[in-house]
Amino acid sequence: GQQLNQSPQSMFIQEGEDVSMNCTSSSIFNTWLWYKQDPGEGPVLLIALYKAGELTSNGRLTAQFGITRKDSFLNISASIPSDVGIYFCAGCNSGGSNYKLTFGKGTLLTVNP
Amino acid sequence: EAGVAQSPRYKIIEKRQSVAFWCNPISGHATLYWYQQILGQGPKLLIQFQNNGVVDDSQLPKDRFSAERLKGVDSTLKIQPAKLEDSAVYLCASSLRGVGGPYNEQFFGPGTRLTVL
Repeated sequence: GQQLNQSPQSMFIQEGEDVSMNCTSSSIFNTWLWYKQDPGEGPVLLIALYKAGELTSNGRLTAQFGITRKDSFLNISASIPSDVGIYFCAGCNSGGSNYKLTFGKGTLLTVNP
Repeated sequence: EAGVAQSPRYKIIEKRQSVAFWCNPISGHATLYWYQQILGQGPKLLIQFQNNGVVDDSQLPKDRFSAERLKGVDSTLKIQPAKLEDSAVYLCASSLRGVGGPYNEQFFGPGTRLTVL
């Protein structure tokens, strides 16, 4: 099945630094989502984007839905140790009866205190 | 509110054996999903139920995988017989509804980590 291209694969940063990661797809989606997964847990939704060009914030997190509907990025400002985890982008074409999510391979974030 | 419950959390079996996973979704959630997450990958949808009916099972290897959601609440996913490449985390998720409208948040359980030797 299709997977999204997510980059970078991993990042190692110092506490307090800003982080940026992005996701691209060969096909369009009408919804973009960003999840965080901690070890031994399921993914947790961070931000959902529903409109091309939309810029949405959730605390220190900001995400944008690309104009072409084929990409999205996530920024984390002033990182803290609890930001450690794997971040996944996911695309979805909502509506109808199927909310099938297509996930990227994830970005592993390590924050050095 | 209780989250999505899954059991067991870990399972180790030998190839060609059978295994079953159980999921209890959030109360009142009509839609239930099973995902397979191989190490280093994002989750991949295996099957989606709307109440007790299958909406999408296009990526379910039906020669060895089966799933059911009797009475539209709990669900079981079975693998018979298991292969080495089935080693993965199996995630269950549920959402309030799955039909129409904007995206409906999927809440994930902690997953079952399966190791096939």
